Amino acid sequence: GNSVTQMEGPVTLSEEAFLTINCTYTATGYPSLFWYVQYPGEGLQLLLKATKADDKGSNKGFEATYRKETTSFHLEKGSVQVSDSAVYFCALSDLTGNQFYFGTGTSLTVIP
Amino acid sequence: KAGVTQTPRYLIKTRGQQVTLSCSPISGHRSVSWYQQTPGQGLQFLFEYFSETQRNKGNFPGRFSGRQFSNSRSEMNVSTLELGDSALYLCASSLGSGTPGEQYFGPGTRLTVT
Repeated sequence: GNSVTQMEGPVTLSEEAFLTINCTYTATGYPSLFWYVQYPGEGLQLLLKATKADDKGSNKGFEATYRKETTSFHLEKGSVQVSDSAVYFCALSDLTGNQFYFGTGTSLTVIP
Repeated sequence: KAGVTQTPRYLIKTRGQQVTLSCSPISGHRSVSWYQQTPGQGLQFLFEYFSETQRNKGNFPGRFSGRQFSNSRSEMNVSTLELGDSALYLCASSLGSGTPGEQYFGPGTRLTVT
């Protein structure tokens, strides 16, 4: 079946540090992959997505590359800011696009 | 375009009562999914509706039910509330037309069961 495994948190970084949050998936065929972000007290917001192998999704300085050979979609940012403190969820949608599977979320805290 | 809206935003209920939550999707979106989010279990899929039909279902007891109306608005009902039902309930909408696309989430309804 389909599933997403992401790095356990919480993660604490200093401002301007490099961020990597690991995400691997199990799926039939070639799913679409997503990163969502949840700020305190809010719902999830789409951060970036990739729909086929080798695609790179990017937004707000974050990026992730769809790696079919390693079934991974790791989230990276070169220089984090305090405002990036949030919970990050990796997700995939099945081939029909009708059902989504989420990882457990990784809490990120960035300290000044 | 207006986003996904959920009402109410906060709710306090007593064990044994029932509750109904509402979700209005983005205009043009026909798929609505519901999730339960708790600190211990993370984000768990409840069910998905498309064109008034439940198309996918997660692993929750029958106390959790939903429906979708012809205008794509959806409601979720929980009967005989238990303390463990306290959670943030998130609704998400998407086109659901069979082409993979992203889901858009509402702000959630925070349910507290006492």
